[in-house]
Amino acid sequence: DTAVSQTPKYLVTQMGNDKSIKCEQNLGHDTMYWYKQDSKKFLKIMFSYNNKELIINETVPNRFSPKSPDKAHLNLHINSLELGDSAVYFCASSQDRYRVPYFGPGTRLTVL
Amino acid sequence: KQEVTQIPAALSVPEGENLVLNCSFTDSAIYNLQWFRQDPGKGLTSLLLIQSSQREQTSGRLNASLDKSSGRSTLYIAASQPGDSATYLCAVTPPPGYGGSQGNLIFGKGTKLSVKP
Repeated sequence: DTAVSQTPKYLVTQMGNDKSIKCEQNLGHDTMYWYKQDSKKFLKIMFSYNNKELIINETVPNRFSPKSPDKAHLNLHINSLELGDSAVYFCASSQDRYRVPYFGPGTRLTVL
Repeated sequence: KQEVTQIPAALSVPEGENLVLNCSFTDSAIYNLQWFRQDPGKGLTSLLLIQSSQREQTSGRLNASLDKSSGRSTLYIAASQPGDSATYLCAVTPPPGYGGSQGNLIFGKGTKLSVKP
């Protein structure tokens, strides 16, 4: 199936741990994104990669680091997890930065 | 700074009713506006995309309008069905080179729709 996929779907971890969320798209898109949806359901962009180059970095703590090994993957690594990091993280991709983005199913991160 | 507001936050209607969801944005300088649907535990599905030069888009029972000058968009759902129950999100894209946020979707908080059989 052509899609945007994320792993894992659920992630429960302790404060202070380091974790990664993986994202892959097989749509041949040039641009990939990470969004965070907080407990109030507010969805906000975190990062965007266009042809492996970071083009957006909103006011996100530097504990969050996107890593793109190739155009089809954009992984999110989080160091020293905090309670406030608990949220649903969505990966998305689009043909270019102005086309309709396709979203992955989300990863629900719970920090205890 | 662009802000997107959606009213109402939640809406419950009986099956078969026509309904309107509202979206407003503070800065009329947008590249496009999109309506998404989010189902619980799932990702977002793009429903309609309206370019800044367009006034409306239609897909099946859905019709989205855009009045850029007044900073408003509406999503009209005709003959609602229980399967339409979901959260509907409105998002705008800033134009190229504007505000340093190219390609950055700015979302509203959504309207949670419940259609009762």
